[in-house]
Amino acid sequence: DAGVIQSPRHEVTEMGQEVTLRCKPISGHDYLFWYRQTMMRGLELLIYFNNNVPIDDSGMPEDRFSAKMPNASFSTLKIQPSEPRDSAVYFCASSFWGRTNQPQHFGDGTRLSIL
Amino acid sequence: DAKTTQPTSMDCAEGRAANLPCNHSTISGNEYVYWYRQIHSQGPQYIIHGLKNNETNEMASLIITEDRKSSTLILPHATLRDTAVYYCIVRVGPSEGAQKLVFGQGTRLTINP
Repeated sequence: DAGVIQSPRHEVTEMGQEVTLRCKPISGHDYLFWYRQTMMRGLELLIYFNNNVPIDDSGMPEDRFSAKMPNASFSTLKIQPSEPRDSAVYFCASSFWGRTNQPQHFGDGTRLSIL
Repeated sequence: DAKTTQPTSMDCAEGRAANLPCNHSTISGNEYVYWYRQIHSQGPQYIIHGLKNNETNEMASLIITEDRKSSTLILPHATLRDTAVYYCIVRVGPSEGAQKLVFGQGTRLTINP
């Protein structure tokens, strides 16, 4: 089975531009997570969805960040306008909760550089 | 969720068992211990989890002390490909809001030839 698929793998753009990161979760999973990883702050949870509905967005750094999940097989994380401090690796993960402690499965991430 | 404490770094010789400790002295009765690892430039990878019994799968073994205040992840025959950052995470069992994982700094394990 295909794992979590993220695109693009690398993104380099100039400050002020809109950035859209994409994620396709594993089929059948009902939870989707967006994380950000930097050297300074490590791996941080930004937001997560259950059955396409945002549950907790307390980790979203500011209003420039937004995330959507229009259907069970697709999610986007958008930054508008982007700033150099947004440079990081962004990971998407998905899981199936069920009645047992199913683990989260991560994609390979999008390495974002804002110049 | 309970906080965990792990050594910053460890070394292990290839072919030997790698034993990675984790302290979670404030763990609650309904909290599970999870281990993930992150190989350079990749997303975190799930390894194993447990509540109070020792667990084993094809990747590793998890030993949880009887008082559950600490645990050890064991990679029985470490290879160079096991070089990674290993994260020990404690979180509650199935309940609303229990999905969140809080990653600490982890242990950077280096397997030496």
